[in-house]
Amino acid sequence: KAGVTQTPRYLIKTRGQQVTLSCSPISGHRSVSWYQQTPGQGLQFLFEYFSETQRNKGNFPGRFSGRQFSNSRSEMNVSTLELGDSALYLCASSLVVPPGLGNEQFFGPGTRLTVL
Amino acid sequence: GENVEQHPSTLSVQEGDSAVIKCTYSDSASNYFPWYKQELGKGPQLIIDIRSNVGEKKDQRIAVTLNKTAKHFSLHITETQPEDSAVYFCAASWLTNAGKSTFGDGTTLTVKP
Repeated sequence: KAGVTQTPRYLIKTRGQQVTLSCSPISGHRSVSWYQQTPGQGLQFLFEYFSETQRNKGNFPGRFSGRQFSNSRSEMNVSTLELGDSALYLCASSLVVPPGLGNEQFFGPGTRLTVL
Repeated sequence: GENVEQHPSTLSVQEGDSAVIKCTYSDSASNYFPWYKQELGKGPQLIIDIRSNVGEKKDQRIAVTLNKTAKHFSLHITETQPEDSAVYFCAASWLTNAGKSTFGDGTTLTVKP
C-alpha cells in the first residue's frame, strides 16, 4: 500500500505570496491532519479534516486554511506569506476506526517551504 | 489545552547501551500516547504507542511505560544500535481523535559505534 504523499517536496516563495500544498492520504484513510514543524516551535498542529469537514483546528492565524476533497485528498493554503512561515509542513493520515481499536497517524515526508 | 514536555533534548549513548526518554502531559483526558522516530529528510514514523488502560507495552528492543497518576510516560530502547540514531517525539491525544496530537519538543538520540 502506498504511503502518504505530499507535493511539492520543496517550495521557495517570497513574502506576501500565497502557497498551496497537497497531501494524498493512504488509500482508505479518511482523516488528514496538518502540522507545522520548525526548529524553534517543534511540531505544531494546524488542523484536521475528516469526511471533507474540518474537525479540529490549532492556534494558527486565519492565513492558514485547508480543505479536503471527496477522495480524502487534502490541500492547505497559506496566504500573505511571512518569513516566519518557513517550515516543514507535514501531513498525516489515519484510518479512523471505532474508539479503542487505534487511530495511528501515518506521516508523509513533508513539504519544505522557504519564504524569502 | 494539552501540554507535553519531553526530556532530555539530546541523548548520546554507546552502542549496546540503553536509552530512556521521558515525557509528561497535562491533560488527564488524554488516553493515547504514541512515540515517533524521525530521520533526516523524512516525516515522523510511529514506532510504538500505548493507551491509558495499559501500563507497559514492549516490541522487541523498544518499550513504553505509562504512569497515569503522575501523567508521565517513557520510551526505553535497549541494546541500542547506530541506526537508532534519530529524533524521537512523544505525543498525547485521545483515542477517539488521534488526528489532533500534541507533541513534545523531541529528543535527538545519537548512538556511538
